[in-house]
Amino acid sequence: GDSVTQTEGQVALSEEDFLTIHCNYSASGYPALFWYVQYPGEGPQFLFRASRDKEKGSSRGFEATYDKGTTSFHLRKASVQESDSAVYYCALGVGNMGYKLTFGTGTSLLVDP
Amino acid sequence: ETAVFQTPNYHVTQVGNEVSFNCKQTLGHDTMYWYKQDSKKLLKIMFSYNNKQLIVNETVPRRFSPQSSDKAHLNLRIKSVEPEDSAVYLCASSRTGGEDTQYFGPGTRLLVL
Repeated sequence: GDSVTQTEGQVALSEEDFLTIHCNYSASGYPALFWYVQYPGEGPQFLFRASRDKEKGSSRGFEATYDKGTTSFHLRKASVQESDSAVYYCALGVGNMGYKLTFGTGTSLLVDP
Repeated sequence: ETAVFQTPNYHVTQVGNEVSFNCKQTLGHDTMYWYKQDSKKLLKIMFSYNNKQLIVNETVPRRFSPQSSDKAHLNLRIKSVEPEDSAVYLCASSRTGGEDTQYFGPGTRLLVL
């Protein structure tokens, strides 16, 4: 079945550090890829998505590029802020394979001021 | 305001009781979902409905039953709750299904004593 792998369970950074959270996927079809962010006590918020190879998604200074060759969609931000502390989820959805998103295990980001 | 609304925010109950959670979306979407988020923050699809019809029913115990009165409402009933049902239940909606972006409500936190 479809799956998403996030290798970092937790990431600890200082403000203005560069962020990378790795996301690799496995899917039978040609999936759309998503990043969501979840703050404590809230539901996941949509960050951005990409639907085709080499497409870049971005929002709030975060970005990721769809790479079909390496089956990856790594999240990056050049300079993190304390307010970016949250849990980040990579997810995939396959258009003709049903009505659901498959989520990775999430990466908890903690940014020290 | 257009969004996904869930009630209650939090519910504490005893083993064996019945509980019911409500979800309403004002985004004009055709598809709604229930996800379960466990204590490790893992997000798993439970059900999805498209135009009031059940589309996805993952491996969920029979004590869980979704109920849809119209496209904008999707409730979740749990008969005879068990301790492992303690989790956050997240409702989401999307324009259609498959690879469409899903928008989440704030969640209902259930604690089974």
